[in-house]
Amino acid sequence: EAGVVQSPRYKIIEKKQPVAFWCNPISGHNTLYWYLQNLGQGPELLIRYENEEAVDDSQLPKDRFSAERLKGVDSTLKIQPAELGDSAVYLCASSLESAGNTEAFFGQGTRLTVV
Amino acid sequence: GDSVTQMEGPVTLSEEAFLTINCTYTATGYPSLFWYVQYPGEGLQLLLKATKADDKGSNKGFEATYRKETTSFHLEKGSVQVSDSAVYFCALSGNYGGSQGNLIFGKGTKLSVKP
Repeated sequence: EAGVVQSPRYKIIEKKQPVAFWCNPISGHNTLYWYLQNLGQGPELLIRYENEEAVDDSQLPKDRFSAERLKGVDSTLKIQPAELGDSAVYLCASSLESAGNTEAFFGQGTRLTVV
Repeated sequence: GDSVTQMEGPVTLSEEAFLTINCTYTATGYPSLFWYVQYPGEGLQLLLKATKADDKGSNKGFEATYRKETTSFHLEKGSVQVSDSAVYFCALSGNYGGSQGNLIFGKGTKLSVKP
């Protein structure tokens, strides 16, 4: 069974440019998460989807970040415009349910460098 | 709000040494607790979990016991191997309200095991 797939793995852009990340969750997983991981830190939740609905986007900086999950499967996270401080690893995860004891499966992440 | 505190690294051990990585948490209600591991160049993987007080999670020789009285979930392994070199993250997931299912991570502890 394929795991969570993210692309691209690496991205280097100039500040003020837009960037988008793509995530394909494990087939059948209804819950999808985007996390931000700064260097030397643990991941922090940006947004959580249950099917196509964003049920928790309280930590998403909505002035420059946006996300969508059309048809409740793949998801895209966008930053426009990017800032130097956005350099980090962006992780996507999925799980079968949203209950607290359900295992979340993570992709390998997209490492963003803003120069 | 909910939070996780884990011992800072890096931790360097010789092969076959005993490992303890401390983790304590602050949470409302009764969270589920997890240890995730990130091997070099790979995504986060669930190592073990515990969903209620006094539960012991175990996997690959690693163990952690959910201690509600001390709000702790320390990771232990009796004899580490070089292949255990990785970054270990303690995490919790609340079981209440809108944050149900969201993982809150500690900062991670880097373990290096020398032959």
